[in-house]
Formats: sequence, C-alpha cells, structure tokens
Amino acid sequence: DAGITQSPRHKVTETGTPVTLRCHQTENHRYMYWYRQDPGHGLRLIHYSYGVKDTDKGEVSDGYSVSRSKTEDFLLTLESATSSQTSVYFCAISEGFGYTFGSGTRLTVV
Amino acid sequence: QKEVEQNSGPLSVPEGAIASLNCTYSDRGSQSFFWYRQYSGKSPELIMFIYSNGDKEDGRFTAQLNKASQYVSLLIRDSQPSDSATYLCAVLNRSGGSNYKLTFGKGTLLTVNP
Repeated sequence: DAGITQSPRHKVTETGTPVTLRCHQTENHRYMYWYRQDPGHGLRLIHYSYGVKDTDKGEVSDGYSVSRSKTEDFLLTLESATSSQTSVYFCAISEGFGYTFGSGTRLTVV
Repeated sequence: QKEVEQNSGPLSVPEGAIASLNCTYSDRGSQSFFWYRQYSGKSPELIMFIYSNGDKEDGRFTAQLNKASQYVSLLIRDSQPSDSATYLCAVLNRSGGSNYKLTFGKGTLLTVNP
C-alpha cells in the first residue's frame, strides 16, 4: 500500500521467543495503529499511537508492547510469543479520519 | 465496551442484484461510520464513509445512516463477481482527550454468483 509498509510479511517463530514487527509510513500521519485479525473475531486493536512517544492500549494489549521513537516508525513487540498470538497483524495510519492499512504480517507461533 | 455488530453471512446474491449489508453500533455518541472491503488475503480498503443521517451515494455504492436507530447499511447495486469480498463496518469513537479510534465489526462475507 502506498505510503505504509509492514515488515516482515511472513514470520514463523517459536513459543517463548521475542518478536518485533515494524510499520513504516512516509505520509507523516500523526496516528498509527496495530490490529490483529483472527477468524471469528474480526479486527481488534492492540495498541495505538497519537504521536512520537505517545502510545495507548487497545482492547487486546496483553503480551504486546509498542514503541514510537520517530513519526514514521511504529514497532510492535511480542515479548514472549505464544501460540494464541498466531494471527495476521495489520498496521494502519490516519490523520484522524479514515484509516489506510498496510499489507499485513502473517505471524505463526509454533 | 463499544460494539459494532454485523451479520457474518455469507450473503449470496446473483450478478446484477442489489446486495444489502447491515451494521448496528452501541455507542450513541459515535460520529463517523465507514465501510471497508477486504478481499481474501488482502488488507482492508476504504470504500465509503458517512457521518450525516440519510443516504450517501458513490457510483454503485450507497451508504445509509440512521443515528436514532444506531444503524448503518451499505447497498451495492448491479453487483458484480468482483464485489465478492468481506465487508467491514467501522465506527469512529473518541478514545480520550482528542484521540479517536475505529472499532470494527467482524465483517460480512459477500458472494456474487455469475
């Protein structure tokens, strides 16, 4: 998607290991979000950021942390990955209205 | 907890028919409403937004909002097989201070049969 990239696109990791997903934007948008998408649950907000070093929790934040040291980058860390965190992770950016989503990261925890 | 409810479907319509997708929300203070389309294996893409009561038309798509009933819908006229996707309803809510966040429904799977 134009202006927003996620990396990696796919990752397989072992239970108990830390994992960091990266979201990078070139739009200079203030707001950035991390969602996970699972069958039967839809998109659920994990964490979001409303500026550099300003972050807040979403509805499913347990086991996740985030950091935003630059406007363009929003990192999501799974501190100790569990099988329940196997999911598709989407980053989104916004200037307060409609969101633009990245292409997603498919994470498998084995 | 602010909730957004959609019929999960699947909704199956013949090509050329009108597809009607519905959504209800729990927070009366919600101001803006969005419809996203998501093809299998892809990311959601914004197709419509509405914030005033009534209808808003964009090509073959019409969004309808009734704040009194806390109901928003999406009509797709002259449905095409390429419209087959999951449609996500989303509601913008204030999350504290001047910050906002979108709450999504679980989506309705639409299949348009040739």
